[in-house]
Amino acid sequence: QSALTQPASVSGSPGQSIAISCTGTSSDVGGYKYVSWYQQHPGKAPKLMVFDVSDRPSGISNRFSGSKSGNTASLTISGLQAEDEADYYCSSYTSSDTYVFGTGTKVTVL
Amino acid sequence: EVQLVESGGGLVQPGGSLRLSCAASGFTFSNYWMSWVRQAPGKGLEWVGKIKPDGTEKYYVDSVRGRFTISRDNARNSLYLQINSLRAEDTAVYYCARCDVSAAGTYWGQGTLVTVSS
Repeated sequence: QSALTQPASVSGSPGQSIAISCTGTSSDVGGYKYVSWYQQHPGKAPKLMVFDVSDRPSGISNRFSGSKSGNTASLTISGLQAEDEADYYCSSYTSSDTYVFGTGTKVTVL
Repeated sequence: EVQLVESGGGLVQPGGSLRLSCAASGFTFSNYWMSWVRQAPGKGLEWVGKIKPDGTEKYYVDSVRGRFTISRDNARNSLYLQINSLRAEDTAVYYCARCDVSAAGTYWGQGTLVTVSS
C-alpha cells in the first residue's frame, strides 16, 4: 500500500487561505468517503481535524474544511493564523479494510 | 475525557522483542476498534494495524505482518503491540489511537519511543 501523495510544503500569510492536496487511487481516496485530516505540532501527537471528507469533530474551527474530487482530497485552511503552522497528514480507508496516510505537508505561516 | 497512555518503549537490540501497552480510559473501550500508528524520527505517519472490539479480527500493514501482533484485554481496558525480530527501521514513536471507519485515529495517545540499535 503506497502512501497518499501530498505536497511537501505549503505557505501563506496570516489571513490568507491555503489548500493542501492529497492524491490516492480508486482503491482508497477515490473509492470511499472516509478521508480524514490530522494536524501535528512538533513533538506532539496528531489531532483529528476533518473526517468523512468534510466533517469536523466538535471543537475544531470552521476555518478548516475538506473536500474531494475523484482520487484527490483537499484540506483548506482559511483565515490562516500563526497557530496553524504545523504538519498536516491526510488518511484514507482502503479496499483492504486498512488505512493509509499521506506523505505529510509542512504548513508555514509567513 | 478520552485518555490513551502508551508505555513499554525503550532501547532494544536488533532481533529483539518488545511489548507496547496502551491504557485507555474515558470511554467504553470494548466498543471500539483500536489502531497502532508509528512515526520514524523526522518522518511521516505510518498506519501499523487495527483490532476489532472483541479482538477477533486484526489487520496489518504489509511491512509488519508476521512480526507484529496486536491484542487487547477489554477487562483491563488495554491495547497491546507485540513486536518481534526488531529492525533498525522499526525505530519510531508508536501511537495508539481509537479508530472507526471514518478515521484511522479519532483520539490519540502521546506515543512511546522505540529505538532499535546495538
